Amino acid sequence: SQTIHQWPATLVQPVGSPLSLECTVEGTSNPNLYWYRQAAGRGLQLLFYSVGIGQISSEVPQNLSASRPQDRQFILSSKKLLLSDSGFYLCAWSVSRLTGRAAEQYFGPGTRLTVT
Amino acid sequence: DAKTTQPPSMDCAEGRAANLPCNHSTISGNEYVYWYRQIHSQGPQYIIHGLKNNETNEMASLIITEDRKSSTLILPHATLRDTAVYYCIVRVALYNFNKFYFGSGTKLNVKP
Repeated sequence: SQTIHQWPATLVQPVGSPLSLECTVEGTSNPNLYWYRQAAGRGLQLLFYSVGIGQISSEVPQNLSASRPQDRQFILSSKKLLLSDSGFYLCAWSVSRLTGRAAEQYFGPGTRLTVT
Repeated sequence: DAKTTQPPSMDCAEGRAANLPCNHSTISGNEYVYWYRQIHSQGPQYIIHGLKNNETNEMASLIITEDRKSSTLILPHATLRDTAVYYCIVRVALYNFNKFYFGSGTKLNVKP
């Protein structure tokens, strides 16, 4: 069966410090991968998605970047955190649309980031 | 740029059916409707999805109107553990990628 991992679970970082959040998926190959952010009491905002290694698309301009160095690894980064980067960060995966299979998304447990 | 609108909150008595409405008046013919729920501080959990026919699984039923401009998620016998935020989502199929548009969701409060 497939599983998705995120770490760390919680993180408190000062303004101006770097960030690296990691997401890995097991039990599938060539997944579509997604990074979402959820502000307190709000819905999910899509930040980045990836359809393959090295292929990253950004949905909104921001202080963050994403990378996919391996098929099942997705990393969210920042060189200098802002207060507005605080939130709940969720990684998700789905099968590639090219498989023709049903494409529900499966979410990881999330990382709660507080920038102080 | 959510493609759905939902009431911000609803109450339901334990053991009764919970009917959660969703409007998606701009949905296109090949766009699916998905429902997820999120319990506090966890990742969203998939519930059900459909295109134009009504769907049922072990968790819930999904009723989609004939014009596909709205849908209703039905939890037949709500329990306290069903208290969560429920998201109605339109899935847009791009060439090699499925994009999911999350709205603000409905906070369902199941009360004893």
